[in-house]
Amino acid sequence: EVQLVQSGAEVKKPGESLKISCKGSGYDFTKNWIGWVRQMPGKGLEWMGIIYPGDFETRFSPSLQGQVTISADKSGQTAYLQWSSLKASDTAMYYCARLGCSGGTCYYDYWGQGTLVTVSS
Amino acid sequence: QSVLTQPPSASGTPGQRVTISCSGSTSNIGSNVVSWYQQLPGTAPKLLIYTNDQRPSGVPDRLSGSKSGTSASLAISGLQSEDESDYYCGAWDDSLNAFVFGTGTKVTVL
Repeated sequence: EVQLVQSGAEVKKPGESLKISCKGSGYDFTKNWIGWVRQMPGKGLEWMGIIYPGDFETRFSPSLQGQVTISADKSGQTAYLQWSSLKASDTAMYYCARLGCSGGTCYYDYWGQGTLVTVSS
Repeated sequence: QSVLTQPPSASGTPGQRVTISCSGSTSNIGSNVVSWYQQLPGTAPKLLIYTNDQRPSGVPDRLSGSKSGTSASLAISGLQSEDESDYYCGAWDDSLNAFVFGTGTKVTVL
């Protein structure tokens, strides 16, 4: 069974750093892209970026490029989303999702449970 | 800001049919496939429709997707209380070189 399990909720102060994780199981982790999606309080889904754990290629939303780092650990079957200096506006729920592909088309077929990040002084 | 536009809300009584639209452009829906996601309150999104009109196993056939030109639609037939949820469309955008989600539609069962 494919599963994505994310790390627990975090409460941080502005300016602090943070790294949250998404551990995949039940499939070959290196063969599917993993995306990160932000959902600010009361708002819709916003695509942040994506990584291919097989070769660590990454792509970012133009609006978020440079704001976060996306990485992966093949042996640990884990993808990461990282901030070097958090802002209050980073307060949101963050989801990881696997990009599944069939017949040349792709879609987000499995999702993590979400990690709530709260940034407040 | 989302480049895929959905109506903020839709509603119907049990048993009715509800349709949600998703309007895009030639760089996204016009040239790429559409997927739909359901997000029940307090939970992670779940894939409902992929490749415009395909249902994953376990998704009932009273849910259906379609695409025409730069727009897509999700139809829910035989509306049930369990369908009360937020729904999002999504597609790759070739101009932005990014995946984009729709603005989301809240479905209420009256």
